[in-house]
Amino acid sequence: EVQLVESGGGLVQPGRSLRLSCVASGFTFDDYAMHWVRQAPGKGLEWVSGISWNSGNIGYADSVKGRFTISRDNAKNSLYLQMKSLRAEDTALYFCAKDLSGGDYVWDGMDVWGQGATVTVSS
Amino acid sequence: QSALTQPASVSGSPGQSITISCTGTSSDVGSYNLVSWYQQHPGKAPKLMIYEGTKRPSGVSNRFSGSKSGNTASLTISGLQAEDEADYYCCSYAGSRPYVFGTGTKVTVL
Repeated sequence: EVQLVESGGGLVQPGRSLRLSCVASGFTFDDYAMHWVRQAPGKGLEWVSGISWNSGNIGYADSVKGRFTISRDNAKNSLYLQMKSLRAEDTALYFCAKDLSGGDYVWDGMDVWGQGATVTVSS
Repeated sequence: QSALTQPASVSGSPGQSITISCTGTSSDVGSYNLVSWYQQHPGKAPKLMIYEGTKRPSGVSNRFSGSKSGNTASLTISGLQAEDEADYYCCSYAGSRPYVFGTGTKVTVL
């Protein structure tokens, strides 16, 4: 079964850090680009960051650039999101998603999604 | 990174067809055939319905179709069914930006 499972969410104070993880199974992880997408409570989807199969192409939304770092470990079938200097507006459900392509030059659609990890930034 | 513009809501009766628009710019929708559409039911993860503008993943009903004209992409649902009631989001590759979602549309089946 193709599956993505996120972990690492929780309650964190403003200004602190948190690291999300996503473990993939059921497909050849190192063939595909991966993404983080978030959804604030009651709001729409927001793309956060993406990484190509070999980490050669990485992108960030302006809202997180300089604060968040995406990475992957193909040997562990794992995707990560290191979040620093967290703000109240980063409070959201964070989804891990698989791209249809390897992501060398462009991002295609996202065909596999996890159930999400909740991040709450509050004092 | 400005979001792509979608109508907040669209409604239709069972059996009817509805169309959801997704308006971007010449830097995103207009430049790439890389628009995807997602369906999201409350409390669930999004589901890919259309990719590369017009293609349907395996398992997605052929009642869902995509198209594009200029800077606007569209998702059409024909033969509307109760189970189609959900939120729908478009998404486009946008080059240097590099990826942007639409504002989302709530579809109501009357």
